[in-house]
Amino acid sequence: GESVGLHLPTLSVQEGDNSIINCAYSNSASDYFIWYKQESGKGPQFIIDIRSNMDKRQGQRVTVLLNKTVKHLSLQIAATQPGDSAVYFCAEIVSGSARQLTFGSGTQLTVLP
Amino acid sequence: GAVVSQHPSRVICKSGTSVKIECRSLDFQATTMFWYRQFPKQSLMLMATSNEGSKATYEQGVEKDKFLINHASLTLSTLTVTSAHPEDSSFYICSASGKRNEQFFGPGTRLTVL
Repeated sequence: GESVGLHLPTLSVQEGDNSIINCAYSNSASDYFIWYKQESGKGPQFIIDIRSNMDKRQGQRVTVLLNKTVKHLSLQIAATQPGDSAVYFCAEIVSGSARQLTFGSGTQLTVLP
Repeated sequence: GAVVSQHPSRVICKSGTSVKIECRSLDFQATTMFWYRQFPKQSLMLMATSNEGSKATYEQGVEKDKFLINHASLTLSTLTVTSAHPEDSSFYICSASGKRNEQFFGPGTRLTVL
């Protein structure tokens, strides 16, 4: 259900530092995970994805780590830039669920100059 | 990546009126489209899933008679909020999916009901 009344977790980092955003998921049947970036007033933007048969995947400045044992997902952003300031959501797709995405609660990343 | 558009981007309406939001996939055929609602500082909540040419599947707690969804073609889905009330004010986002798992999101529509 909806997380009514909760505030988004926040993370503040200095420009140039690395950022790590964490996400816990609960459904062990999830087999595909995606990280999205959402800027204020805009739709989510795909960052990187990973399948459950992998534990690490790298993109340009971003790395996603998957730990299925503890149902934990993380997004690492290298050399964080002001343009990285946004809300980051993890999302999962459960095997056989008609490709329906279930979104996590999100983390507000603020990059300090 | 593929482009999904939404129209309008913002709409303000009076309580009791109906509002239609369009979602278009501009450069690919979307066999499935999804509609989400997002309240301030909260996550996206799936409202319904629609497949071209068939009735939408609504999530628990979403009134199908209030949120009418039509997916008449492979590039267009519409969401109509009927008899809108202030509590329907929200950010409505659609996504479109083709042959693969990846969903492409629209830019969202901000609905304000006075």
